[in-house]
Amino acid sequence: SQTIHQWPATLVQPVGSPLSLECTVEGTSNPNLYWYRQAAGRGLQLLFYSDGIGQISSEVPQNLSASRPQDRQFILSSKKLLLSDSGFYLCAWSAGTAGGYTFGSGTRLTVV
Amino acid sequence: RKEVEQDPGPFNVPEGATVAFNCTYSNSASQSFFWYRQDCRKEPKLLMSVYSSGNEDGRFTAQLNRASQYISLLIRDSKLSDSATYLCVVNNERSSNTGKLIFGQGTTLQVKP
Repeated sequence: SQTIHQWPATLVQPVGSPLSLECTVEGTSNPNLYWYRQAAGRGLQLLFYSDGIGQISSEVPQNLSASRPQDRQFILSSKKLLLSDSGFYLCAWSAGTAGGYTFGSGTRLTVV
Repeated sequence: RKEVEQDPGPFNVPEGATVAFNCTYSNSASQSFFWYRQDCRKEPKLLMSVYSSGNEDGRFTAQLNRASQYISLLIRDSKLSDSATYLCVVNNERSSNTGKLIFGQGTTLQVKP
């Protein structure tokens, strides 16, 4: 069966520090991968999606970036965090059809 | 206009009550529809897909009205464990090759003893 792993679960980082969040999927090949952010009390905002190795599409301009170095690995990064980057970051995968997603357990990031 | 709109609630209902959530979407070409459940500080989890003919899963019934661009979720005999935020989700046709989903902001349900 397919599983998705995301870490760390919680992170507190100072403003201006770098960020690296990792997500891996097991039990499937060539998944579509997504990074979402959920700010406190708000809905899910799509940040990046990828339909293949090295293929990244950005949905919103920001100081975050994403990379997909391997088929089942998706990384979210920032060189310098802002206070507004605080939120709940969720990685998800889908089979790329009109189906639903499976989410990772999320990373709660607080920028201080 | 938001692509997917929901009443944020909260809906406070007693155990055993029947409660209905509604959702509207703006893109008439949308192809796939879902309800997700999100517990406090947890990731969203797929509750059920929504089909044109309507579908039922135990105490949960989902319906789709394409003409009105409207989706509903009915929960019968509410349990305390149903307390959560329910997210209405749409897959737009123009992005269906990538499977991108558009999430509503969610409707919060609190079931009281």
